Amino acid sequence: DAGITQSPRYKITETGRQVTLMCHQTWSHSYMFWYRQDLGHGLRLIYYSAAADITDKGEVPDGYVVSRSKTENFPLTLESATRSQTSVYFCASSWTSGGTDTQYFGPGTRLTVL
Amino acid sequence: QKEVEQNSGPLSVPEGAIASLNCTYSDRGSQSFFWYRQYSGKSPELIMSIYSNGDKEDGRFTAQLNKASQYVSLLIRDSQPSDSATYLCAVNRPGHEKLTFGTGTRLTIIP
Repeated sequence: DAGITQSPRYKITETGRQVTLMCHQTWSHSYMFWYRQDLGHGLRLIYYSAAADITDKGEVPDGYVVSRSKTENFPLTLESATRSQTSVYFCASSWTSGGTDTQYFGPGTRLTVL
Repeated sequence: QKEVEQNSGPLSVPEGAIASLNCTYSDRGSQSFFWYRQYSGKSPELIMSIYSNGDKEDGRFTAQLNKASQYVSLLIRDSQPSDSATYLCAVNRPGHEKLTFGTGTRLTIIP
């Protein structure tokens, strides 16, 4: 049982390039989330999704785009990467509401923007 | 005032002692509270959840919630070196389908 996976695990890109981070879960969880984790800021929510085709902004959505055409996938796209988007990105999922149910985290993607 | 506040540490505790981690939150209507553990270079994993005032025990871990004081804590008894990690407090604000995380407290257990 793979659970929740992220790809790539490491990515180096240049300023201005488009980058897509993938997230896939095998549990059929309704809710999925994207966070970024930076020193001094902890985990900050970028976007989340309550179901396929339903997405909503989190705390730091600027510069990011998400989609969720299938329940199991929740890709995060940086349309034009900036150095400030260098971070560790975590995808998470939960059965029901992300506010009351356990969130299960993927292994993370370490993104460096040069 | 931050929505969820934690002392960043590092907090150093001798092996076998009790580690006490604290978290305060600003929204008085918050209803769900979680403690996640994150080892260096790894992803967060749930340790405890608590929804009602009082204590909740699970093995060596005890979560304590005081809604009147807007305070949630995590006690780790008989601390082990394997407990060395960053502990993240997360809170659900009413009407929100998401969690707000604190910045985490780094705990080091000294053998």
